[in-house]
Amino acid sequence: KQEVTQIPAALSVPEGENLVLNCSFTDSAIYNLQWFRQDPGKGLTSLLLIQSSQREQTSGRLNASLDKSSGRSTLYIAASQPGDSATYLCADPRHGNNRLAFGKGNQVVVIP
Amino acid sequence: GAVVSQHPSRVICKSGTSVKIECRSLDFQATTMFWYRQFPKQSLMLMATSNEGSKATYEQGVEKDKFLINHASLTLSTLTVTSAHPEDSSFYICSARRFQGVYNEQFFGPGTRLTVL
Repeated sequence: KQEVTQIPAALSVPEGENLVLNCSFTDSAIYNLQWFRQDPGKGLTSLLLIQSSQREQTSGRLNASLDKSSGRSTLYIAASQPGDSATYLCADPRHGNNRLAFGKGNQVVVIP
Repeated sequence: GAVVSQHPSRVICKSGTSVKIECRSLDFQATTMFWYRQFPKQSLMLMATSNEGSKATYEQGVEKDKFLINHASLTLSTLTVTSAHPEDSSFYICSARRFQGVYNEQFFGPGTRLTVL
């Protein structure tokens, strides 16, 4: 059974600092890796999807890397803004049936 | 593109009643949808996989007679919580899988907050 750990569970940073969020898996046989954002009381917004053949993906201030050999992914958010405050979830869509295994998330607060 | 809606967004019901939640993919067809439950400060827990035209596949520990799933079309799946009890109060989120060549991406609905009194 895939278990996903996200560190740190929660963090607060002043506006403008870069954010580094870590995600690790017990089963390193990862097919794709997806990062999501969840605002309080809301659903999930897909941020980045890293395919099995890729090592990283970038979208604006967001960059996600994937190291399959160590079963780790890192999400970088550059020059954080108060609007980045949310919970960030990583998930491993199991190859073949796409059942997502989620971590508990990184709860981020960006202080103006 | 890739928008998933849920209805209702919030529902309060009395214990013993049944509640139906709809999940729709608005601009793509989804042969597979997923239903999740999320308790406060917890991650999403997959309840079941909903396949168009066939029976849903439930995760271990999820009662299929309690949580009825119907995936009647390529854009609609429904979750019915039967004889709801206070312990069923939770945030229910659906997702729809969009197939794009060799990989699939899931898109999530905004969630439904269920409160059972």
